[in-house]
Amino acid sequence: GQQVQQSPASLVLQEGENAELQCNFSSTATRLQWFYQRPGGSLVSLLSNPSGTKHTGRLTSTTVTKERRGSLHISSSQITDSGTYLCAMESGNAGAKLTFGGGTRLTVRP
Amino acid sequence: EAGVTQSPRYAVLQEGQAVSFWCDPISGHDTLYWYQQPRDQGPQLLVYFRDEAVIDNSQLPSDRFSAVRPKGTNSTLKIQSAKQGDTATYLCASSLIQGAEQFFGPGTRLTVL
Repeated sequence: GQQVQQSPASLVLQEGENAELQCNFSSTATRLQWFYQRPGGSLVSLLSNPSGTKHTGRLTSTTVTKERRGSLHISSSQITDSGTYLCAMESGNAGAKLTFGGGTRLTVRP
Repeated sequence: EAGVTQSPRYAVLQEGQAVSFWCDPISGHDTLYWYQQPRDQGPQLLVYFRDEAVIDNSQLPSDRFSAVRPKGTNSTLKIQSAKQGDTATYLCASSLIQGAEQFFGPGTRLTVL
């Protein structure tokens, strides 16, 4: 079946450092989405793009569909960025199905 | 505008017991999704509806799990005879139309002892 692999599985940063999260997927995707999840919290959509580069605030998402990979760059990390970042590929009928990776657990220390 | 709401927030069961989860999607959203998220893993789609119709339930363990959305609004996910392997958070999401951005509820955390 479809698979989504994320790396690294966990990441520890000092406040102010940048982070680069990777996502690789096994089959054709219509779009790649990035979500944020606090422990015990619901998922919040961060960025969604079919290809190319998209920015919002300190976040930059890059998707290279042909190479079946994507990345999320977090600049100038803050303690409140700590949590799990999930990558999901959209596929299926009208892009309705999301297949998630296992997530990257980010800890930002003061 | 209220978000997706789910109840209960937590459930603890013995193996073999039954449990039901409820989801109230965002008003006007025609597509509703149920996901299972084991601890330290990403969510996995179980089933999704457009209005009251099941569009895809291929990942729903049909021998013990069932899901309905009778009026195309609220939905119920039921586990007939829970197993320890069902321990996970069950997330509900809705989208305005199929393929649009999905909005997630807070989830129900299930523990099966």
